Amino acid sequence: SQTIHQWPATLVQPVGSPLSLECTVEGTSNPNLYWYRQAAGRGLQLLFYSVGIGQISSEVPQNLSASRPQDRQFILSSKKLLLSDSGFYLCAWSQADSYEQYFGPGTRLTVT
Amino acid sequence: AQSVAQPEDQVNVAEGNPLTVKCTYSVSGNPYLFWYVQYPNRGLQFLLKYITGDNLVKGSYGFEAEFNKSQTSFHLKKPSALVSDSALYFCAVRDPSGYSTLTFGKGTMLLVSP
Repeated sequence: SQTIHQWPATLVQPVGSPLSLECTVEGTSNPNLYWYRQAAGRGLQLLFYSVGIGQISSEVPQNLSASRPQDRQFILSSKKLLLSDSGFYLCAWSQADSYEQYFGPGTRLTVT
Repeated sequence: AQSVAQPEDQVNVAEGNPLTVKCTYSVSGNPYLFWYVQYPNRGLQFLLKYITGDNLVKGSYGFEAEFNKSQTSFHLKKPSALVSDSALYFCAVRDPSGYSTLTFGKGTMLLVSP
């Protein structure tokens, strides 16, 4: 069966520091991968998605970036965090020929 | 562009009573619709989907959803609520552009009282 991992689970970082969040999927190949942010108000915002290695689409311009160095690895990064980057970050995957997405456990990021 | 509306921020229901969480959508072409549930500090869990076929879709944990094309609605239902059903529920519609991205509603908090 397929599983999705995210780490770290929680992170507290000062403003201006770098960020790296990692997501990996097991048990499938060539998945579509997604990064979402869920702010305190609960809504989900799609940040990036990827349909293959090195292929990244950005939905919202911001100081975050994403990379997909391997088929089942998706990384969310920032060079300098802002206070507004605080939130709950969720990674998800889907089969290329399917519709439903499956979510990881999330990373709670607090920027201080 | 596609959109999803969940008109209720919160739904309160007593345990054992039926529950309904409302969702309406707007999308060009055939709608692909989904319901997800989120427990505190957890990722979203897939409940059910409507792609085509029967308008009544059955999903996990006894939930079902009714697709109504004329009303552009996809309401989530359960005949008998449990306290453990208390969570945040999201409706979503697939982006018809073809990359399997989803547009989510803002979520509805379901509170089931004992």
